[in-house]
Formats: sequence, structure tokens, C-alpha cells
Amino acid sequence: NAGVTQTPKFQVLKTGQSMTLQCAQDMNHNSMYWYRQDPGMGLRLIYYSASEGTTDKGEVPNGYNVSRLNKREFSLRLESAAPSQTSVYFCASSDRSGYGYTFGSGTRLTVV
Amino acid sequence: GDSVTQMEGPVTLSEEAFLTINCTYTATGYPSLFWYVQYPGEGLQLLLKATKADDKGSNKGFEATYRKETTSFHLEKGSVQVSDSAVYFCALRGTSGGSYIPTFGRGTSLIVHP
Repeated sequence: NAGVTQTPKFQVLKTGQSMTLQCAQDMNHNSMYWYRQDPGMGLRLIYYSASEGTTDKGEVPNGYNVSRLNKREFSLRLESAAPSQTSVYFCASSDRSGYGYTFGSGTRLTVV
Repeated sequence: GDSVTQMEGPVTLSEEAFLTINCTYTATGYPSLFWYVQYPGEGLQLLLKATKADDKGSNKGFEATYRKETTSFHLEKGSVQVSDSAVYFCALRGTSGGSYIPTFGRGTSLIVHP
């Protein structure tokens, strides 16, 4: 019973490099989310996908793109990484009602 | 819009002390309220929830009561352990505007010393 799986767990990028964070859930949830967590800022929603085939911007979408590949997978892409994107990134999923919110264990990203 | 305000941390306690972490909210209608816990190096996990006024959520010795008259959902535990050291997030799921995305507070760090 894996729940929400994120890869990689750690990553160091140079400014300007690109990368994709992967997220997969095995709970048959319709909705998936990407958050970033920074000290003193709590969780901030980057993008979400209410259902397969749809994506919407959250609170802090600039510098990111997402793809809902299928019902299980939701990826987050940084096209040109900046030091301000150094953060811990969490993927989450939920059922259609918004209950059963389940988080992955996070990706710690450092941009130098 | 909906918002959640938590007491700032860190909260530092000795083992077996009584814990209260304050949480107040602003929302229209009748939101559902949640507490999540984040242990070091991990994602958030649901700790407890309450879906209507006067409901009490409880889990692992933690309790919180949904108080609509004071718009509060304070987290309490009678006797904390070192293993309770973590960051605690209060959250609400609103009922207006069709939004099902939770609104999270900024988190309160709890440090329990032996």
C-alpha cells in the first residue's frame, strides 16, 4: 500500500537547468496537487489537477509547469531553475470530495 | 476567502506536559476542520478531523473540538511524549465556491524534551 510516491527524494540543480519531479498515487484518487514548503511560509499550492485531463494554477505557479499524464501520475517541471525555487516539494492526492488527502514524503530541491 | 491562523512556534515542552496549540479560522458556511502532523523528513499525515460544530476529533491521545461560536479548533494532548515532536498544521475544507482544496495554516513546531 504505497499511497503517494515521489521521485527523486533529493536533487541539486544549477541555475538554469531543468528537471521534472514525478508523482504517482495508487489510491484511485481523482485529484492531485503540488505544493512547496518553505520555512515560515507553510504550504503553498503550485498547481492542481481536479481530474484526469485538467490542470489549474494555484497560489504560486510562476516558473513551473505540470502534466497530468494519466489518473495515477502528475508531474511538475521546472524549465529553468532559479535559486528561489530551492524548497521542499510535496505531491498530494484526494478523492473527489477533497477528503482523504494523502501526501507523499517530499522532494528536497536545492538550486545553486 | 478562507483562512487559518495558528499560534507561532516553536512550542517547547517537557515530556508529560499538557499541550495546547491554538487554531482559529475564517470561512463562510460550515467548513470541515483538520489537524495534520509532519514528522521530520516526512510528508503531512492526517491526525484528526471534525466535520460539524461541536464534533470532537481524536487520535493517538490528541483531541480537538470544533467550536463554531469562537471559530476555533485547538489541538490538545494531556501528556506529550518525545515522539510527538513534529510540526502540526491546522486546515479547513470550505463549503463555499465549490472549492474542495484545503486551506492550511503555517504550521506550529512542537519540541518535546525528555
